[in-house]
Amino acid sequence: AQSVTQLGSHVSVSEGALVLLRCNYSSSVPPYLFWYVQYPNQGLQLLLKYTTGATLVKGINGFEAEFKKSETSFHLTKPSAHMSDAAEYFCAVSPSGGYQKVTFGTGTKLQVIP
Amino acid sequence: DAGVIQSPRHEVTEMGQEVTLRCKPISGHNSLFWYRQTMMRGLELLIYFNNNVPIDDSGMPEDRFSAKMPNASFSTLKIQPSEPRDSAVYFCASSSRETEAFFGQGTRLTVV
Repeated sequence: AQSVTQLGSHVSVSEGALVLLRCNYSSSVPPYLFWYVQYPNQGLQLLLKYTTGATLVKGINGFEAEFKKSETSFHLTKPSAHMSDAAEYFCAVSPSGGYQKVTFGTGTKLQVIP
Repeated sequence: DAGVIQSPRHEVTEMGQEVTLRCKPISGHNSLFWYRQTMMRGLELLIYFNNNVPIDDSGMPEDRFSAKMPNASFSTLKIQPSEPRDSAVYFCASSSRETEAFFGQGTRLTVV
């Protein structure tokens, strides 16, 4: 069984400020972990993923996330928010070894204040 | 590749009518997923196929919902009869053993 918890359904940051979106997962087997972004009226787009190897993964648009097994976390960060980062972000988990049944969190809407 | 293609993009139908949503996955992907997204329930996995075979349909809400994948390049999600509470955005996604899920643009369904 696997699940994802995203803390905070809405997060607001000022333009230029640090972005931190929290994700904790539960998985009975080693996980693959993902962050997806959804812009209004669009599908989900992959930001970054962790499968194996380096625990700090870098994605598109300056985002990165760190897999912390001891904390069962995979928080998403970006040093400096841009107006174009305003979107909804989804954390997701699947069993390692493939990309079969992916379980998504409930999403966090990021608002960037000018 | 054009990505995952869903049709129609928007569908408005009357309660009781049959609705069919269509999906063309990315060529070479062997897994296909149908998701439903609503404000209240977020993103829910309805069903997923592996090599055209339904593997897990535990997310299908009722018998009014059915999904088929007659071949590797086409899948349908059918609702019969439709109800207002079925109004949502329905996403199709495909993946392979080596790549993560890629999503289509979604079909916004409104049942009046």
